[in-house]
Amino acid sequence: GAVVSQHPSRVICKSGTSVKIECRSLDFQATTMFWYRQFPKKSLMLMATSNEGSKATYEQGVEKDKFLINHASLTLSTLTVTSAHPEDSSFYICSARPGPYEQYFGPGTRLTVT
Amino acid sequence: DQQVKQNSPSLSVQEGRISILNCDYTNSMFDYFLWYKKYPAEGPTFLISISSIKDKNEDGRFTVFLNKSAKHLSLHIVPSQPGDSAVYFCAASAQDYGGATNKLIFGTGTLLAVQP
Repeated sequence: GAVVSQHPSRVICKSGTSVKIECRSLDFQATTMFWYRQFPKKSLMLMATSNEGSKATYEQGVEKDKFLINHASLTLSTLTVTSAHPEDSSFYICSARPGPYEQYFGPGTRLTVT
Repeated sequence: DQQVKQNSPSLSVQEGRISILNCDYTNSMFDYFLWYKKYPAEGPTFLISISSIKDKNEDGRFTVFLNKSAKHLSLHIVPSQPGDSAVYFCAASAQDYGGATNKLIFGTGTLLAVQP
């Protein structure tokens, strides 16, 4: 149980375009999902908390207008990277929480902006 | 300000021996701790957790110890297997952290290499 999927696993896009990443909880409902970013050889950096039916809560330093989050249902959250630039290239990981504490992570999405 | 620290970036252990991964934290509000295992280009996999009301939790080959007075936790893997080779992250959570419930604060990770 507690399986989280992400799509796509890899995406390459041109600078200035937008990319949408989907995160789904497959066997449980999640009122809260999280979006992380991982830089090479670094820890996971929490970008935002996605709340079903309400606005996402962004961490300090994360641009809300650049990283749009929509949590439309109890099993789906999407992250849209708008007007992507090469510095947005990274590994993006989502997680979902069936209970109060343990988060279960998706497999991640490698974004490359050329 | 790194509130969760893993001071050893890497650890090498012989197969069959015990692996001990350490984690220190600074925020006394943390009340729940988790360990995750991560392979390159994959999402972290949940391993084991412990509540601050306990000092030990065991699940198969994995045992987590919590020393609240020292603000220190450790993950013991015994016996270690080559398949355990990965990056291990500890994470801490507080019921009400900065207004958001139960965010996870991750350490910087320790790369474990189990030699056959």
